[in-house]
Amino acid sequence: QQQVKQSPQSLIVQKGGISIINCAYENTAFDYFPWYQQFPGKGPALLIAIRPDVSEKKEGRFTISFNKSAKQFSLHIMDSQPGDSATYFCAAQGAAGNMLTFGGGTRLMVKP
Amino acid sequence: KAGVTQTPRYLIKTRGQQVTLSCSPISGHRSVSWYQQTPGQGLQFLFEYFSETQRNKGNFPGRFSGRQFSNSRSEMNVSTLELGDSALYLCASSLLAGGGDEQYFGPGTRLTVT
Repeated sequence: QQQVKQSPQSLIVQKGGISIINCAYENTAFDYFPWYQQFPGKGPALLIAIRPDVSEKKEGRFTISFNKSAKQFSLHIMDSQPGDSATYFCAAQGAAGNMLTFGGGTRLMVKP
Repeated sequence: KAGVTQTPRYLIKTRGQQVTLSCSPISGHRSVSWYQQTPGQGLQFLFEYFSETQRNKGNFPGRFSGRQFSNSRSEMNVSTLELGDSALYLCASSLLAGGGDEQYFGPGTRLTVT
């Protein structure tokens, strides 16, 4: 059973545009929601993370929006750049331990 | 501070063999988690170790096992390899054991089973 659903699977955005990736989760025990960025041949790199006590978190061009009642969260990449072209994964984790449940990934391409 | 290191980076094995992968966490981190990444199944949790004890295990057969040493370094072992075990095996380290702690991934070990 996929507990974290991510959409879209792929996304093409023009340079300077906004990239938006959405995730929905089912398990209400999840209380930590990170986003990872992965380039080909590399391991996932932690981008930004949020906990359910806040509805939004911003770090530079990256913003997470969190809707606890809808059990949804999203990543917004402002002023998208070609260097942002990568695969993005949302994930969720509960208090039981360091075991992330990942979404299926979104392949982002930013066209110059 | 050095990141998570994994060895070897690439490995080719044949069906039926066994393999051992190694992970060195970030200095001072005591929790190590392992994940399998495949195109079909995505990223899936294998197991988590803290203070040399397995704390959590994912839904994988008993052929997949691991251990952690007193210096927090971890190894995972896959016995009787199957073609479907071909994957990128990732290790992540965290400072603490509790959920909600940031996990930092290594570059992975690419295992190919022929």
